[in-house]
Order: sequence, then structure tokens, then C-alpha cells
Amino acid sequence: EAQVTQNPRYLITVTGKKLTVTCSQNMNHEYMSWYRQDPGLGLRQIYYSMNVEVTDKGDVPEGYKVSRKEKRNFPLILESPSPNQTSLYFCASSSLLRTGDEAFFGQGTRLTVV
Amino acid sequence: DAKTTQPTSMDCAEGRAANLPCNHSTISGNEYVYWYRQIHSQGPQYIIHGLKNNETNEMASLIITEDRKSSTLILPHATLRDTAVYYCIVRAAGGTSYGKLTFGQGTILTVHP
Repeated sequence: EAQVTQNPRYLITVTGKKLTVTCSQNMNHEYMSWYRQDPGLGLRQIYYSMNVEVTDKGDVPEGYKVSRKEKRNFPLILESPSPNQTSLYFCASSSLLRTGDEAFFGQGTRLTVV
Repeated sequence: DAKTTQPTSMDCAEGRAANLPCNHSTISGNEYVYWYRQIHSQGPQYIIHGLKNNETNEMASLIITEDRKSSTLILPHATLRDTAVYYCIVRAAGGTSYGKLTFGQGTILTVHP
């Protein structure tokens, strides 16, 4: 079954404690990205990757890092989380080879930073 | 990517067709129209997409006007499980921004018994 898997689903952490949210896809997609969703602001792209070792900033990259060492994995790293990073996070993947292909989203990670 | 405009909310009776409109008057020739929905706080789910022809799949139909400036998503027999936020997105067909989806506020569709 085609899927994007994020872990953990829920996380409560304290300000400044480094954390990683993992994302894995099983569709051999080239393109992967992270979004955050906040009330009234909708879904906004944080970072994206067009292939292994190729990453770039989205619309709201401050405070986040990503890496793409393998095609299937695209972890989101918060080196020093702050309360304004409390949000619902989604990982997504899609193919760049087939025009008009759909994007698949993970189930979401609800992060609370206190 | 072109900007889209959707009504904030709509209601529909269970079993009836739900017709969700979207304006995308600045769409360019190589941009697709995509529809996604988000049920509660789950990950957005792909519904359908099209370039200029009308499209139909097992979930919905997409009607795109001839000038491509607007489209309508049709859920032919809405059920309570179709209650969700529906996003109309215009997406480039290629280039470095191809993979990105720019989400607006969407339309909250409420299906009533």
C-alpha cells in the first residue's frame, strides 16, 4: 500500500530540547516536503527536497532543518524548539517524473512546545 | 502559482450532490487544477485533478470552464463522511515549483443528515 509514515503522531517537548520528526515513503518518490498547519494560516511549506541530497527552503523555514540522505526518508529537525513551533506538521511526497501526479500526505504530527 | 478563491463554507444534504466552486482567473496554460480534502486534522487527501478537460473518478467529477478561469468539484451523492475542508489548488506542471502545493483557506463542506 502506498503510504507516507510520520513519527511520532503526538509530541510534547520543552523549549530548547532538540527533536526529530521522521518521515518515510514507500513509493520511490523524488519530491518530499514538510508543511505546518496553524489555525487561520492554513498549510504552509517549510522545506522541500527534489531528490537525495537536494533540499531547499519553503515559505517558513526558520527554526527548522531537514536532510535527505536516502530517497525514502526526509526527517524534520528542530534544533532548539520554541513555543511558536507548536503546530500540526505534515510530510508529503510526490513523483516528479509523471506530470499531474498526486501528492501523498502523512497522518500528521501534533507538536506542542512548552 | 495562481491564486484560488473559494467560498468559506457550504452545506449539503446527505444523498444530494455537492457542488464546490473555485475561481482561478490568473491560471496559466501549463497549470493544473487539483482538489484535496482534509477531514478533521488528518493529512490532506487527493481527490482529483485536471488541465482543461472535465474529469471523473470514483470519488468525484471536476468541471473546468472553457476559459479555465473557474472549476467546480462535484461529489455526486454526498455522505456524512464527506464533511471536510476542500482545497482547490493550482499547481505548475513543471519547473522547480512543480511539487509544491499552495493551500488557501478552502471550503468547509458540512453534509447534513
